[in-house]
Amino acid sequence: DVKVTQSSRYLVKRTGEKVFLECVQDMDHENMFWYRQDPGLGLRLIYFSYDVKMKEKGDIPEGYSVSREKKERFSLILESASTNQTSMYLCASRPPASGANVLTFGAGSRLTVL
Amino acid sequence: SQQGEEDPQALSIQEGENATMNCSYKTSINNLQWYRQNSGRGLVHLILIRSNEREKHSGRLRVTLDTSKKSSSLLITASRAADTASYFCATGDTGRRALTFGSGTRLQVQP
Repeated sequence: DVKVTQSSRYLVKRTGEKVFLECVQDMDHENMFWYRQDPGLGLRLIYFSYDVKMKEKGDIPEGYSVSREKKERFSLILESASTNQTSMYLCASRPPASGANVLTFGAGSRLTVL
Repeated sequence: SQQGEEDPQALSIQEGENATMNCSYKTSINNLQWYRQNSGRGLVHLILIRSNEREKHSGRLRVTLDTSKKSSSLLITASRAADTASYFCATGDTGRRALTFGSGTRLQVQP
């Protein structure tokens, strides 16, 4: 089974801190995604990456950046955390051009910014 | 952008009853998928239906797709307490690599 691992399940950070959320997948998937999930808003795409060092903005990239130095790892970075970034962050991956873009998700990282 | 909207937002039923959730979307799609999320966890893929299909079954799940109305429904038959979760529809189209998710339906199955 494909496994997507998010290193931190729960984090509490202070406003202004730099925050790193790490995601690792073990199935050699080219495509990786970061979504945030908020009540009533569903999942919103922050960034995605379709290859090493390649990235594209999603629907809500403001306040975030990403890093994909290795194929298996996709990091989400909050340069200066703010309270409105308190949320559940979900990482997902899928193989390339699979015909059906079925995603495999990690367990999520719940971030609280005080 | 919010593509899919699920209806109802919340649903509570008794074990053994059927649960129906609906999803509407706005643009042309290649496929529509349903995912399940247990409380505080990641999403798990349930079923995919392509734009040229009208109905698909998988175990106790039945999905329909009406592209003329831009809507889909997920039916869970003979529900169990373990089906308690949130259910999301997600759409994929050729112009976008990523799926677009709706806001979800919270299903509570009472034992």
